[in-house]
Amino acid sequence: EDQVTQSPEALRLQEGESSSLNCSYTVSGLRGLFWYRQDPGKGPEFLFTLYSAGEEKEKERLKATLTKKESFLHITAPKPEDSATYLCAVQAPGYSTLTFGKGTMLLVSP
Amino acid sequence: NAGVTQTPKFQVLKTGQSMTLQCAQDMNHNSMYWYRQDPGMGLRLIYYSASEGTTDKGEVPNGYNVSRLNKREFSLRLESAAPSQTSVYFCASSESSVLGASLKHFGDGTRLSIL
Repeated sequence: EDQVTQSPEALRLQEGESSSLNCSYTVSGLRGLFWYRQDPGKGPEFLFTLYSAGEEKEKERLKATLTKKESFLHITAPKPEDSATYLCAVQAPGYSTLTFGKGTMLLVSP
Repeated sequence: NAGVTQTPKFQVLKTGQSMTLQCAQDMNHNSMYWYRQDPGMGLRLIYYSASEGTTDKGEVPNGYNVSRLNKREFSLRLESAAPSQTSVYFCASSESSVLGASLKHFGDGTRLSIL
């Protein structure tokens, strides 16, 4: 059973068209939820860590939020350079490592 | 300012050959990790080293061995490569593996094809 499920698998937006990516998780007692951006041919680039429900973090056009069951990555007025695959990962109780979702591939067209 | 460096960037092997993937970090981090990434799947942990001198299995350790050579270096070895090990391999490091220590630093990967 997947602990982390990301949706949609792929998303195509026009420049300036805001939207949200979803990361739902089934672990209880979450220790941390992580968002990364990955460009083709590169390693994941860390964006945010969220620790508790209600927490929000922002960076430029990105805002991450967390509830007890899911996290959203809101992208406001995206630009073509925001095109990438966005990865979500969770750290479960008793584990010192992360479990990753399969990612959402975002394409922003000019 | 290199962060996490992986070598080689690309490699093609024949089934049964062996090779070692190298990883080095220059941030004085305690914990290091090896992940593999396959199409349609999330990053999966192969092995990790919480601190110098320790290593532990991750989700998919079969067919691999690791060595934490020192605090900077963590290598991944394929003793007898199989086509199922064709993948992109990422090394990562963090200050520690305990609560609150975010895994922030990944290398750019080694793309390995096994024929």
